[in-house]
Amino acid sequence: GAGVSQSPSNKVTEKGKDVELRCDPISGHTALYWYRQSLGQGLEFLIYFQGNSAPDKSGLPSDRFSAERTGGSVSTLTIQRTQQEDSAVYLCASSQGQGHEQYFGPGTRLTVT
Amino acid sequence: QKEVEQNSGPLSVPEGAIASLNCTYSDRGSQSFFWYRQYSGKSPELIMFIYSNGDKEDGRFTAQLNKASQYVSLLIRDSQPSDSATYLCAGRKAAGNKLTFGGGTRVLVKP
Repeated sequence: GAGVSQSPSNKVTEKGKDVELRCDPISGHTALYWYRQSLGQGLEFLIYFQGNSAPDKSGLPSDRFSAERTGGSVSTLTIQRTQQEDSAVYLCASSQGQGHEQYFGPGTRLTVT
Repeated sequence: QKEVEQNSGPLSVPEGAIASLNCTYSDRGSQSFFWYRQYSGKSPELIMFIYSNGDKEDGRFTAQLNKASQYVSLLIRDSQPSDSATYLCAGRKAAGNKLTFGGGTRVLVKP
């Protein structure tokens, strides 16, 4: 079946602009996660959604970052007033539910110039 | 000290040999562990997960967990050049859902 999909695959933006990254999880998966991977920091958790529960936002690095999940499926990660240190690969993962293994999408490479 | 530690490598192994990758973790609350393979420029791909002490085998891969020693390992038997990648170890707490990743071990399998 189809895996996790993300768009765009690449995004180049100017410092100070807002960006939106999209994630479409595996069909039927109720849990959705955002991570980011950068050379200096490795792979870091950002935010987690499970069903209708309040999201776990404990990994968001600043209030410029936010995410929403509409209808329990597609999720959008928004970064406002982008900074150069936001440059990274943003990875989305989904799982069947709490406690199940996570499967990653192809990622969005964000470059802030 | 990072929560999950891996030797960055590269770990160089000849084709057909066994590659042995190690991972240690500091938080005893971590209950389950995951190994992901990541090819350059690609996203992580789940290889195996292990929850209980002991060994778990899947094809050419064996994961080992020792909670008393806070140690996880991955063995790759009959290593192939296509196994050349970075291997990421991740832990998850019993009550949590986020994965905490190590920095990864780069493996090079030489023909």
